[in-house]
Amino acid sequence: GQNIDQPTEMTATEGAIVQINCTYQTSGFNGLFWYQQHAGEAPTFLSYNVLDGLEEKGRFSSFLSRSKGYSYLLLKELQMKDSASYLCAVRDRDYKLSFGAGTTVTVRA
Amino acid sequence: IAGITQAPTSQILAAGRRMTLRCTQDMRHNAMYWYRQDLGLGLRLIHYSNTAGTTGKGEVPDGYSVSRANTDDFPLTLASAVPSQTSVYFCASSKTGESGELFFGEGSRLTVL
Repeated sequence: GQNIDQPTEMTATEGAIVQINCTYQTSGFNGLFWYQQHAGEAPTFLSYNVLDGLEEKGRFSSFLSRSKGYSYLLLKELQMKDSASYLCAVRDRDYKLSFGAGTTVTVRA
Repeated sequence: IAGITQAPTSQILAAGRRMTLRCTQDMRHNAMYWYRQDLGLGLRLIHYSNTAGTTGKGEVPDGYSVSRANTDDFPLTLASAVPSQTSVYFCASSKTGESGELFFGEGSRLTVL
């Protein structure tokens, strides 16, 4: 099974940078995903890491260390529309995705 | 528009009633999933199917059943609904393989009284 931990809430100012950490314990690691979910909407895919290192996609970057069971999502140049819940998810070898409880990010003007 | 369609969007039903949530995808994805989302608990996997004709149990399968007669459809049935099954249910699909990101439906909000 998977045990996935991430902070419940974070608050940051518009234009700033926020880093959301995720730690996991898994019986068979096969990739780590980050999803964004706005209130009342479905989750949407942000990033995927399967090898150690940093993946950059515009204002969003995701980092993975498999030996430490650790990932982070970095959001740069925060905008008001980035206020959402960010979900860390770990995939196992059966291609099942287990999610953390999510981190609610609030961006203040 | 390609994607995943869930129905109904919202439903209130009495405890003890049978309910089927429908899910259809037109992306020809081989894998499909049902999750429930509850405040503070995140998304929890109920059942999944890696290919048509096969299904598997997720983290919280009790009280739910699924079938996968073809690639496109993956209905979730509550045989006898209980109040603890009040939740938002998301259907998702993916290609199995390297990235295999999940694509989610818009969700079905179910209230069991």
